[in-house]
Amino acid sequence: EAQVTQNPRYLITVTGKKLTVTCSQNMNHEYMSWYRQDPGLGLRQIYYSMNVEVTDKGDVPEGYKVSRKEKRNFPLILESPSPNQTSLYFCASSFTSGKIDNEQFFGPGTRLTVL
Amino acid sequence: GENVEQHPSTLSVQEGDSAVIKCTYSDSASNYFPWYKQELGKRPQLIIDIRSNVGEKKDQRIAVTLNKTAKHFSLHITETQPEDSAVYFCAASIEYGNKLVFGAGTILRVKS
Repeated sequence: EAQVTQNPRYLITVTGKKLTVTCSQNMNHEYMSWYRQDPGLGLRQIYYSMNVEVTDKGDVPEGYKVSRKEKRNFPLILESPSPNQTSLYFCASSFTSGKIDNEQFFGPGTRLTVL
Repeated sequence: GENVEQHPSTLSVQEGDSAVIKCTYSDSASNYFPWYKQELGKRPQLIIDIRSNVGEKKDQRIAVTLNKTAKHFSLHITETQPEDSAVYFCAASIEYGNKLVFGAGTILRVKS
């Protein structure tokens, strides 16, 4: 089944404790992206990757890191989480621009609480 | 950079009525405009999209219109049903799907 998976789905942690949220897709998509969703603010892009070893900042990158060592995986790293990073996080993937089908497929989401 | 504004933030309609959600964008270079539906506790899912070379697109009860001159696009849902209740997000992209910028979302409630 074509899908984007994320782990963990729920995470409660404390300020300053490093964490990683994994994202994996099995659709051979070049493009992958991380969003955070907060009430009244919609979905805001954190980081994106056009292909392996190519990453770039989105609109709200502060406090986050990413890596793209393999095409299928795009982990989100919070080196020192803070309470303002409490949010619902979505990973998404798609083919790159120029292809006919550019639909972004979203993962199930990760609910993160930083105490 | 691109900025997308979406209105209204909440919309309540009676079952069977039509619902219209409007979005405006700022970057005239934007060329792809998808609409996503997010049911409670679920992930956003694409319901319809339109490219800048098209003015209107329909898919059963759902239609999207695009006015490039005014830089706005709208989602139209006809004959609404309770299962249409969800949060709807519009988005714009200057790279045909990559680098999506989303609106803040519209909570649609369909009352039966």
